[in-house]
Amino acid sequence: DQQVKQNSPSLSVQEGRISILNCDYTNSMFDYFLWYKKYPAEGPTFLISISSIKDKNEDGRFTVFLNKSAKHLSLHIVPSQPGDSAVYFCAASRNYGGSQGNLIFGKGTKLSVKP
Amino acid sequence: EAQVTQNPRYLITVTGKKLTVTCSQNMNHEYMSWYRQDPGLGLRQIYYSMNVEVTDKGDVPEGYKVSRKEKRNFPLILESPSPNQTSLYFCASSLDPGRPYGYTFGSGTRLTVV
Repeated sequence: DQQVKQNSPSLSVQEGRISILNCDYTNSMFDYFLWYKKYPAEGPTFLISISSIKDKNEDGRFTVFLNKSAKHLSLHIVPSQPGDSAVYFCAASRNYGGSQGNLIFGKGTKLSVKP
Repeated sequence: EAQVTQNPRYLITVTGKKLTVTCSQNMNHEYMSWYRQDPGLGLRQIYYSMNVEVTDKGDVPEGYKVSRKEKRNFPLILESPSPNQTSLYFCASSLDPGRPYGYTFGSGTRLTVV
């Protein structure tokens, strides 16, 4: 059973507009959420994260929103740039009970930002 | 430079021939992990290690072995590779994967089993 879901395999956005990537999770025990960005032929790189005790975290053009009641988080990129074109992975962790190393990823969303 | 180094980057092998993919990190991280990436399936965790001699199964451990004899190294062993293990593999390390920065990933090993 997939615990972290990214239901949109792809998203296309015009340069300068907002990109919104969505992620849903099923396990209410997750206490930390992260977004990673991946270019072809490279490993994933950390982008931004949020603790379950917060509902928003902002870093420059990137903002992550967390809605715990809906078990939903989203990544907003404003404004979108062509260099943002990549695959974005949502990930979640549960940092207790011996599961500290177990970071669970979604299937990813491929973002294309068109000039 | 702080990094996770995997070798080899590309490997083609035949079914049943044992192989090892090496992984080394120079950041003194306690946590290390192996993931595989497949089209339509995203990143799936194979094994992870919380410290030397402490390992645990991830979501897809079947057909793989790992060892953590030293803090910096975490090799992935395929005792008898099969074609369904053809995939892109990533090693990762972290001080604490559930906190702000999560895992730092290597550049990947593309494995083809024929």
